[in-house]
Amino acid sequence: DVKVTQSSRYLVKRTGEKVFLECVQDMDHENMFWYRQDPGLGLRLIYFSYDVKMKEKGDIPEGYSVSREKKERFSLILESASTNQTSMYLCASLRETQYFGPGTRLLVL
Amino acid sequence: GESVGLHLPTLSVQEGDNSIINCAYSNSASDYFIWYKQESGKGPQFIIDIRSNMDKRQGQRVTVLLNKTVKHLSLQIAATQPGDSAVYFCAENMGDMRFGAGTRLTVKP
Repeated sequence: DVKVTQSSRYLVKRTGEKVFLECVQDMDHENMFWYRQDPGLGLRLIYFSYDVKMKEKGDIPEGYSVSREKKERFSLILESASTNQTSMYLCASLRETQYFGPGTRLLVL
Repeated sequence: GESVGLHLPTLSVQEGDNSIINCAYSNSASDYFIWYKQESGKGPQFIIDIRSNMDKRQGQRVTVLLNKTVKHLSLQIAATQPGDSAVYFCAENMGDMRFGAGTRLTVKP
């Protein structure tokens, strides 16, 4: 079974804090993705990566950055968290089929 | 822009009935589609996929139909059970994955 794990299920941060969300997959997949999910808006793509050290912007990259130093790990970084970044964050990896992690629910106060 | 979308945001069915969840896509170049199920508090879970060279694919109690002429995708669930209650997403693979807003399926006992 493919396993995609995310470092935290729930996270509470303050406005202006730097936030790291970690995602690890154990199936040697090249492609990894970060989405946020908000009520009524579905899943929106923030960033994705095709390989180590490669990154591509998705639909809503503003306020976020990513890091892919190792194939199995894809990190999402909020440089200065804001309240409008309160959301559910979902990581996924893909070879032929996309597999999701359990999600991180982030609250920014 | 091109997008993936769902016709109905909610669907309520009686236990034992068949369910049909619809999805429209607008990118005729998309060649791969996935249906996901997301239960409350969890990440999306792969249900079934279909490639554009197919019209129909069947799994256990689920069938996906693809109509490329009208760019329409549907998910049929046979003998719907209470455990099928969830939000269902369709997604198209264009190099990255793009999702519709989701349809909430509620199964009435």
